Amino acid sequence: GAGVSQSPSNKVTEKGKDVELRCDPISGHTALYWYRQRLGQGLEFLIYFQGNSAPDKSGLPSDRFSAERTGESVSTLTIQRTQQEDSAVYLCASMKGGRPDTQYFGPGTRLTVL
Amino acid sequence: KQEVTQIPAALSVPEGENLVLNCSFTDSAIYNLQWFRQDPGKGLTSLLLIQSSQREQTSGRLNASLDKSSGRSTLYIAASQPGDSATYLCAVMNYGGSQGNLIFGKGTKLSVKP
Repeated sequence: GAGVSQSPSNKVTEKGKDVELRCDPISGHTALYWYRQRLGQGLEFLIYFQGNSAPDKSGLPSDRFSAERTGESVSTLTIQRTQQEDSAVYLCASMKGGRPDTQYFGPGTRLTVL
Repeated sequence: KQEVTQIPAALSVPEGENLVLNCSFTDSAIYNLQWFRQDPGKGLTSLLLIQSSQREQTSGRLNASLDKSSGRSTLYIAASQPGDSATYLCAVMNYGGSQGNLIFGKGTKLSVKP
């Protein structure tokens, strides 16, 4: 079946602009995660959605970052007033939910802020 | 705070060699540990997941072990091939953490030369 998909694959933007990144999880997966990987760094957790529960936003680095998810479907990560330090690969993962299990990752969106 | 360390950061071996990648973590209260493979532009692929109650998992030429009490895991790759060249990431899922988010090491970049 289809895996996790993300769009766009690459995004180049100017400092100060807003960007929106999209994630389509595997159908039926109730848990969805956003991670960020900056050059030379490990993956950092950003935000977690589980079903209709309130999201866990504890990993968001600033209030310029927000994310939404409608039910158990698509999620969007929005970065407002982008800064050069936001340049990174943003990865989305989904998991079946119910109990901790394998997380399946999308190919990522490479964001470059000029 | 959980920290995950991977040694070595990079490894180059000739084709056919057996090799071991190391992962250590500071907090033994983990739910599970996963090994991933990361190829450029293709996101992460889950290789093996070891639950905290398990000591090892095997898939083909890969074998992962877990010693939770000492905070260590190893990934053993038998008879390495050039197609194994990639970055290998170790990640742990904590009990009581952000509801299942993974904490990653920075990875070991493996190069297998023909």
